[in-house]
Amino acid sequence: QKEVEQNSGPLSVPEGAIASLNCTYSDRGSQSFFWYRQYSGKSPELIMFIYSNGDKEDGRFTAQLNKASQYVSLLIRDSQPSDSATYLCAVAGSARQLTFGSGTQLTVLP
Amino acid sequence: NAGVMQNPRHLVRRRGQEARLRCSPMKGHSHVYWYRQLPEEGLKFMVYLQKENIIDESGMPKERFSAEFPKEGPSILRIQQVVRGDSAAYFCASSDGTGEKLLFGSGTQLSVL
Repeated sequence: QKEVEQNSGPLSVPEGAIASLNCTYSDRGSQSFFWYRQYSGKSPELIMFIYSNGDKEDGRFTAQLNKASQYVSLLIRDSQPSDSATYLCAVAGSARQLTFGSGTQLTVLP
Repeated sequence: NAGVMQNPRHLVRRRGQEARLRCSPMKGHSHVYWYRQLPEEGLKFMVYLQKENIIDESGMPKERFSAEFPKEGPSILRIQQVVRGDSAAYFCASSDGTGEKLLFGSGTQLSVL
């Protein structure tokens, strides 16, 4: 079992819709959870982080964490074509370094 | 721009040569991480360093790869006797050590001919 698992996609949603990206992790001791966006040929960019169970909202982005289920998700409301990118889920455990999933490729169709 | 600086942006080497990748962390950051990304794959952790110390090198291949972060100057990821399988994007990230929020550099694309 991979430490951090994501559906590779591709995920396609129409412009204005909600995009839902999911991630599961195996280390129950994980404390911090991150979502990075990576455009093709570019470096990862941090867009959300969450430490506690529940929801955290920032603009059009909402991160959701359920530690009991070892599940973290990212919702993007009112999706725009500029949101088309690969979204990487990352988890920090006791080792103090981030473990990344393989990413979900999102395409927002105009 | 006080972000994470990596150079070179692109590096071409022939099999058997050495590759040196440099990373200067964001101003005020003293923690450096190196990650490798193969095409269509996620980021794989390689090594975590603080000034003059290797904190975690659990992701480094046992041979040919080494990393340092000297008291003065950038962090260096060194790959000796490169092989075609080393071709990848190598990203450096830095943090201030208070959390795990990492700021990434623009990466070095290594191509081994």
